Amino acid sequence: DTGVSQDPRHKITKRGQNVTFRCDPISEHNRLYWYRQTLGQGPEFLTYFQNEAQLEKSRLLSDRFSAERPKGSFSTLEIQRTEQGDSAMYLCASSPPLAGGYTDTQYFGPGTRLTVL
Amino acid sequence: SQQGEEDPQALSIQEGENATMNCSYKTSINNLQWYRQNSGRGLVHLILIRSNEREKHSGRLRVTLDTSKKSSSLLITASRAADTASYFCATQSGAGSYQLTFGKGTKLSVIP
Repeated sequence: DTGVSQDPRHKITKRGQNVTFRCDPISEHNRLYWYRQTLGQGPEFLTYFQNEAQLEKSRLLSDRFSAERPKGSFSTLEIQRTEQGDSAMYLCASSPPLAGGYTDTQYFGPGTRLTVL
Repeated sequence: SQQGEEDPQALSIQEGENATMNCSYKTSINNLQWYRQNSGRGLVHLILIRSNEREKHSGRLRVTLDTSKKSSSLLITASRAADTASYFCATQSGAGSYQLTFGKGTKLSVIP
């Protein structure tokens, strides 16, 4: 069990550029989440995948944000036309198939820190 | 939006002392979880308590849940310098949603 990995760990970009982040979940975890965390705040939910299906999306996920999980394994989060307000830590988490109910422990990756200049 | 509010926002104690952090939330929940985050790193799951449970222990951690008051507390006993971190409560509402809704966190400093 190598844990959730994210790439890159840091990204500096200029306003208006597009960026893409990758998340590799723990193997055999079919559920994957993206969160965003700004300085001094707790993480905020962005989106949730079960296998390749995107089942939940936050209102925070504007039209400039898109997430994919094409084969139900790794996931990408793309931000188009970045703005300074997009500067944050982007966290990915995964969790195993549910045995039943909604009780769910999520395992987080180290995050990608995005700085938009 | 943030569901929970942790109290205090910051806490500084001496090594060996106990640390208590509180969390309040707004809506009904399926479970409440506590996570730890070291400076600039990802979150580590500490403990989960279901809505039908009142207290849970794990090592030096003790969590209580009062659903009538929509509040929880996390007690860390015999603190160590390595416990220095930010602690977040997070709720899962169930009802078809798996997202965690986090509070703003308590920053704990344990002084050796």
